[in-house]
Amino acid sequence: EPEVTQTPSHQVTQMGQEVILRCVPISNHLYFYWYRQILGQKVEFLVSFYNNEISEKSEIFDDQFSVERPDGSNFTLKIRSTKLEDSAMYFCASTGQPNTEAFFGQGTRLTVV
Amino acid sequence: QKEVEQDPGPLSVPEGAIVSLNCTYSNSAFQYFMWYRQYSRKGPELLMYTYSSGNKEDGRFTAQVDKSSKYISLFIRDSQPSDSATYLCAMTAMSGGSNYKLTFGKGTLLTVNP
Repeated sequence: EPEVTQTPSHQVTQMGQEVILRCVPISNHLYFYWYRQILGQKVEFLVSFYNNEISEKSEIFDDQFSVERPDGSNFTLKIRSTKLEDSAMYFCASTGQPNTEAFFGQGTRLTVV
Repeated sequence: QKEVEQDPGPLSVPEGAIVSLNCTYSNSAFQYFMWYRQYSRKGPELLMYTYSSGNKEDGRFTAQVDKSSKYISLFIRDSQPSDSATYLCAMTAMSGGSNYKLTFGKGTLLTVNP
């Protein structure tokens, strides 16, 4: 069964360092998303991406964040200078058509120390 | 008022019980509704997807949507210990364009006791 894969599963980084979280969406999907879940809180939308550009971003997605689809399979989230409050689970999701089921990866647990 | 409200529980039931999980929402633009199951420190796993008022059944799971009341439910019949997880409701608007972001409830933690 096709699935969204994310790497790494866990990343520990020092405050101020750059991190890149990687995702391989389901191969024929066209719409890509990043979500964040701080421990004990709800899943929050960060950014959506379609046709090689950002469709919408939330208030959380400030200038420290960027997304890229560097090739036909990968979708990345970069945090330029990590802060302690960036510690969270980051989930990548993809959908094939508008308003169809969104499938999530297993997440990357980011710990900023 | 929060866009999506979900009682976080925790909810504890004996094996075999019928479980009812609920969400209310305030944004009438929401047209598509999903239920996800999330195990600890794992990604949300899609269980049910509906877009019309009424019931949709899949095995032991039934999703119910009442758009007039802005209320959705998930029923689990013959609950099993393996159903123990956090259940998240999520919804999205039929906004057109190229963005269909999901708005989630906070999740309900369910424990099914053998």
